[in-house]
Formats: sequence, structure tokens, C-alpha cells
Amino acid sequence: DAKTTQPTSMDCAEGRAANLPCNHSTISGNEYVYWYRQIHSQGPQYIIHGLKNNETNEMASLIITEDRKSSTLILPHATLRDTAVYYCIVKTDSWGKLQFGAGTQVVVTP
Amino acid sequence: GAVVSQHPSRVICKSGTSVKIECRSLDFQATTMFWYRQFPKKSLMLMATSNEGSKATYEQGVEKDKFLINHASLTLSTLTVTSAHPEDSSFYICSARPQEATNEKLFFGSGTQLSVL
Repeated sequence: DAKTTQPTSMDCAEGRAANLPCNHSTISGNEYVYWYRQIHSQGPQYIIHGLKNNETNEMASLIITEDRKSSTLILPHATLRDTAVYYCIVKTDSWGKLQFGAGTQVVVTP
Repeated sequence: GAVVSQHPSRVICKSGTSVKIECRSLDFQATTMFWYRQFPKKSLMLMATSNEGSKATYEQGVEKDKFLINHASLTLSTLTVTSAHPEDSSFYICSARPQEATNEKLFFGSGTQLSVL
């Protein structure tokens, strides 16, 4: 599975959109981009995933570049409860292991 | 959404004792469950993959005799930390993949904080 690169941390003002970048320049054609987040001392939570089209659900939007080498997770109106570590994971949709990188620590401030 | 229940949420034990952690999928069947551990301010590290009715597959460097995994049914997997020592103190998290899953949307338990004195 391709490796990903994310910023170590970022701050966001409450009520504003949070744009979380992820670089996955070695992604292959059958690999999906998954986003999970982990609020402190809890288990991770699935957010969204996509292959090449942009995706949106009740939690977030996922924008994948045309060459698929990078993506951005968008939290449209960040709240204090969105403070968490966000993980971008690239993986094929096949039986296998989900490996977590370092992620991005997002802190939403009032 | 699907719920994974993990118990206990916190356990404190003496060095040398064994601790069992349960992971249950409450409203779905899970052929595959995963066990992770996490040290403070670090990311999750996959320990093992457990498949219902068969032996678990351990990641490199994880002692299978130390961390016993049993996945006896489609809704329950257990992790037993045998002869626990202070260096085993960590946050342990399980996750489950629904039997009918066609993607990598996993559901995670809330974690177990193990403290070995």
C-alpha cells in the first residue's frame, strides 16, 4: 500500500472550514484514499473514503486531485469536538491490514 | 452505524498477572478483527489480525505467546496479555470488519487502557 505524508499539526478556528492535506504520490490505480480520526483516548472513527471522484458525506468532503497524488479532507464548519488526530490512509479494497501513520493533530480553537 | 464494544475500558493489574480484553461486534458479524496498541502521543501499531475459527496472524515483533488472541465466534475476539509487565502498559484497541464488507471501513472499539504496576 502507498505511503502518505501529512502535516504534523494544524490549528483551525471554530466555525471555519478545516482543510487537511495528504500527499500520496505513489498511489496506484486500485488504491483508495481513506480518512479516519481519533479523538483523544478513544478508538479511531471512519470519516470518508474515495477512489478518484470527490466524495461528500455528513461528516466531511474529500477532494482528490486529478492525478490522485494528493487529496484534501474538508471539515466544512469545524467545531471544538473536531479536535483530533486525522489519519490519511491509502489502501486497496481487499482483505488486508489497515496501517496508521503519524496523522495530523488538528486543534480547533474558539 | 455498527458498534464495536470493548471491555474493560481501563484495567490496572500487578506485574505477572494476565489480563483479558474483549472485543464484541454488537450488531454485525465480523469475520476479521484487528488488534492495535498505542503508546502515548504515538500512532496505532497493528499487533495482529484475527480471523474467526483460525489462528491469528501476528505482526513482526509481536510475541504470540505473550499476546494470546482468540476469535471463537463471529462477534467476539479476545486479547489476553499473559504475565503482564510494566512495559506492556499501553492503550489497546480492537477493530472489526463486517462480514459483508466490500471496503476498508472498519469499526473500532473505544480502547482499553492497561496499566501494569
